[in-house]
Amino acid sequence: DGGITQSPKYLFRKEGQNVTLSCEQNLNHDAMYWYRQDPGQGLRLIYYSQIVNDFQKGDIAEGYSVSREKKESFPLTVTSAQKNPTAFYLCASSKETGQGWTEAFFGQGTRLTVV
Amino acid sequence: RKEVEQDPGPFNVPEGATVAFNCTYSNSASQSFFWYRQDCRKEPKLLMSVYSSGNEDGRFTAQLNRASQYISLLIRDSKLSDSATYLCVVNKSGRRALTFGSGTRLQVQP
Repeated sequence: DGGITQSPKYLFRKEGQNVTLSCEQNLNHDAMYWYRQDPGQGLRLIYYSQIVNDFQKGDIAEGYSVSREKKESFPLTVTSAQKNPTAFYLCASSKETGQGWTEAFFGQGTRLTVV
Repeated sequence: RKEVEQDPGPFNVPEGATVAFNCTYSNSASQSFFWYRQDCRKEPKLLMSVYSSGNEDGRFTAQLNRASQYISLLIRDSKLSDSATYLCVVNKSGRRALTFGSGTRLQVQP
């Protein structure tokens, strides 16, 4: 079945450690996105990528890094520079048509907790 | 001004009520519009796309007003299971393709 897969579902990190969240899609979508959601808040864009080997900062990119070496994969690294990383992280993908973008499909998310 | 703005609510309505949400967007070049539903601690899921002519799916009706730059979602005969947060999403070609509103929370009460 086609879809978008995030792993792990839950992740615990010690302060000062970098961690990498995985996001893989087999929908042949061009664009992939990372969002952060804090309790009771909306989605905030961290990074996005519209083609392989290219990505752009979103609204809250500080303390995060990404790569897009393959169309199917868009991992997110939460670095020690991110001061408050505990949050729900959502990966999404979509495809551009000639008239805009298709709807976004989301993975199930990763809950990151700093301990 | 935010690119996409929604009333955060919560909207507390009784079962069977009709409720409407609006979402305003700032970029007149926006081309694609969607409503998503998000349940507590889950990922957002597509509820419906919003077309220029408006569209209906069962109890749900979505409308687009390009002149005033807003989209709306109408839910008729509310069910307890409609309780969720409703997110407005606006896309345009080029960069910054996906922009989400912060969501409107709906609580349907027995």
